[in-house]
Amino acid sequence: DTEVTQTPKHLVMGMTNKKSLKCEQHMGHRAMYWYKQKAKKPPELMFVYSYEKLSINESVPSRFSPECPNSSLLNLHLHALQPEDSALYLCASSQASSGGASREQFFGPGTRLTVL
Amino acid sequence: QKEVEQNSGPLSVPEGAIASLNCTYSDRGSQSFFWYRQYSGKSPELIMFIYSNGDKEDGRFTAQLNKASQYVSLLIRDSQPSDSATYLCAVRFASGGSYIPTFGRGTSLIVHP
Repeated sequence: DTEVTQTPKHLVMGMTNKKSLKCEQHMGHRAMYWYKQKAKKPPELMFVYSYEKLSINESVPSRFSPECPNSSLLNLHLHALQPEDSALYLCASSQASSGGASREQFFGPGTRLTVL
Repeated sequence: QKEVEQNSGPLSVPEGAIASLNCTYSDRGSQSFFWYRQYSGKSPELIMFIYSNGDKEDGRFTAQLNKASQYVSLLIRDSQPSDSATYLCAVRFASGGSYIPTFGRGTSLIVHP
């Protein structure tokens, strides 16, 4: 299985709602990532989990809360978002180790989030 | 500051031509280089990665790396309209064991019939 899956594909939420995005992979990857991508911009890194521990938080506002329940799952909990948070949210995974030169990332299809 | 530079384009080429996409990076110690293709509204899809100087070929795609000049390029031979997409260059910098690649802004490629 060489696939990263994400649910839901689309999400519309109000500014007072609480929702969660889910990401799953079964490639045995121990690094998982959340990216945010606005139109015509490159993916912008939000969080990195390595061996189920949060290793990087790119100064993301606390209204975004990541969670890694196990090595295959990654969640992003959303609360009190703003309209400017509307974007494509991408999950990716890769191998995680200190050696090796490649460590390419595999992306899921993304969740298109609209905040009203 | 680790930077990855790409011309945003659009780069327009006729069907059957060679499309040449370029990327420069700021850190001479960079280790790994990736090309992703992204169709509008879709997620990035890995096309190739390269980490040694020289060329790496895969079908119609050739990645070229020149570490001395700090650039990496992607050649697409026999371009097809289905190749029309944004091509993202990503560079993994040698920084504290992190393997987080930094993305360029992407180059929009248009292949016209």
